[in-house]
Formats: sequence, structure tokens, C-alpha cells
Amino acid sequence: DQQVKQNSPSLSVQEGRISILNCDYTNSMFDYFLWYKKYPAEGPTFLISISSIKDKNEDGRFTVFLNKSAKHLSLHIVPSQPGDSAVYFCAASPIQGGSEKLVFGKGTKLTVNP
Amino acid sequence: EPEVTQTPSHQVTQMGQEVILRCVPISNHLYFYWYRQILGQKVEFLVSFYNNEISEKSEIFDDQFSVERPDGSNFTLKIRSTKLEDSAMYFCASSAQAYGYTFGSGTRLTVV
Repeated sequence: DQQVKQNSPSLSVQEGRISILNCDYTNSMFDYFLWYKKYPAEGPTFLISISSIKDKNEDGRFTVFLNKSAKHLSLHIVPSQPGDSAVYFCAASPIQGGSEKLVFGKGTKLTVNP
Repeated sequence: EPEVTQTPSHQVTQMGQEVILRCVPISNHLYFYWYRQILGQKVEFLVSFYNNEISEKSEIFDDQFSVERPDGSNFTLKIRSTKLEDSAMYFCASSAQAYGYTFGSGTRLTVV
């Protein structure tokens, strides 16, 4: 039962270029979405989030886009840096950041080549 | 920067033994969680805890699992009789309302 899907297990980009990580969801009750970054042997680190009342949220080099009608969100990293190389998880929640659980996708491993 | 601390970082246990994984959440957070990630798979929700009781649990969180907040600072996950398939990274997380969770670095549990 994959309510949150990240269909690309890996992505490789050149330093300085844009990285686009995609995520699809199936549950219409989700209205808060988050991206986490994970390095090996560490826990997921919160990166950026978006509420369903918005279609875009930007924080420095990171921008998340939400298309509610398509049940699709994407994370754009520009310009990509070698230090961005990590596994990126998309996660969704039915309410904004409260006590509800997060449902994670399987992750996309991003490699940024110097 | 406040962080969630988990101990131990790696635990090896024999099948059938009890294990306790420990977590110290961020001090002013009110919601606490355990997640796990089996190698190569997605991060899965186990349980959420608020106001000294379980608020939600997944089907993974069966009678072999329990959580406790014994002293107001620690948050523990106990597995009563471990199975081989319990081998995973276990992540503790805490949150204040209306913000993303903060995860700990995880405990790698290996059941042999």
C-alpha cells in the first residue's frame, strides 16, 4: 500500500545544475507535505515543507512545488552541490505537523557529481 | 541546535531476547514517535505518543512492542521477544505542533 510514491530510486546530476525530485501520493486526506534528507548512518533531516493551501514554497536553493489536482509534488534544488548528495524522502501527513504520523516514500538517492 | 538523542547507536541481540531502545526527545516537544527502516526499504511509522499515551500505532506495532516515557525526559521502545525481521534502523522523533519532526540518528538493531 504505497500511499506516497517516489518512482525514481536514484538521480545523478552535475554540480551547478538543477536537481528535480518527484513524489506522487494517492491519499486525498494528505494536506501537508515534507521533504527530508538523509545521510548514511544518520536520521532523516527536515528540509522543507508545504501546506496544501500553497502551490510553492521556497527556502534558499530548495523549492517545493505542489500540484494538488495531480497529487504530485516535486523538490527542486538549484544550483546542486556535491554536499546535496543524499537520500531524499518525500513524506505526507493529514494535518499540519501535529500528532499525526508521517507516511514516507521509499526515497530517491541523489548524487551530485563535481 | 536542539537534537533528539538515541542510544545505543547499534544493538545486537539474540532472537527471542528483549531489547529497549532509548531516546531523549527535544525538551519542549510534546509529541513523540518511533519509526523504523528495514535495510533498503522506506521509513515506516510505528507509534506516536502524546500526553503519556499512545495516540496512534501501525499494524507493525503489535503486542511485542511497547513504549514508555518513564521520567519525563526519556522515551523508550521495548521489543519483548525479538525476531529476525525486527532487524532495522529505529528512529525516534519528536515534534512541537505545526512543524516538521526532528529525528534522532537512529539505533541499528541486529537480531541474530
